[in-house]
Amino acid sequence: EPEVTQTPSHQVTQMGQEVILRCVPISNHLYFYWYRQILGQKVEFLVSFYNNEISEKSEIFDDQFSVERPDGSNFTLKIRSTKLEDSAMYFCASSPGRGITTTYSGNTIYFGEGSWLTVV
Amino acid sequence: KNEVEQSPQNLTAQEGEFITINCSYSVGISALHWLQQHPGGGIVSLFMLSSGKKKHGRLIATINIQEKHSSLHITASHPRDSAVYICAVGGGGSQGNLIFGKGTKLSVKP
Repeated sequence: EPEVTQTPSHQVTQMGQEVILRCVPISNHLYFYWYRQILGQKVEFLVSFYNNEISEKSEIFDDQFSVERPDGSNFTLKIRSTKLEDSAMYFCASSPGRGITTTYSGNTIYFGEGSWLTVV
Repeated sequence: KNEVEQSPQNLTAQEGEFITINCSYSVGISALHWLQQHPGGGIVSLFMLSSGKKKHGRLIATINIQEKHSSLHITASHPRDSAVYICAVGGGGSQGNLIFGKGTKLSVKP
């Protein structure tokens, strides 16, 4: 079964450094998302991306964050000048398109395994 | 803003038991997702519902739009079902713009 892949699985960075988290969505999917989960807390939506532009973003996704699809396969999340509170698991996800269900479950969103970011 | 509440927060069951996890939300939605988060952190989407009921194997998900409530049932539970089960709702914008519940941690003992 096709899957969303994320790299790195774990990254430790110093406060103030820039971090790029990488994702390879499922190849024929059109929508891409980033979420984060601070340890012990709920998963939170960050941003959705469609047709090479941001379609929605949350209050969390401020100027410190940016997303890019630099080529036909990768989808990246850049965090500039990281802060201690950016430490979290970051999940990438993708979906084939609005109203398209692909499985018994009606599932349309496929998640990666996550990238742990630790800011020290 | 939609509030998503799950109950119970923690659930311990014996292998073979029937399990129910509940999710309530405060504002009308376009779709509700049930997700499974493995101990290692990875998330798998189990179901997406906008009405009625869906079933796959030992898993059943139901939603009552009028009552703003959904349930996830696991029949004949097994230790491999041990995970955190998360309810997430979408309001009609980007389908990925979801509001997540805190999750229900399920532990199934052999």
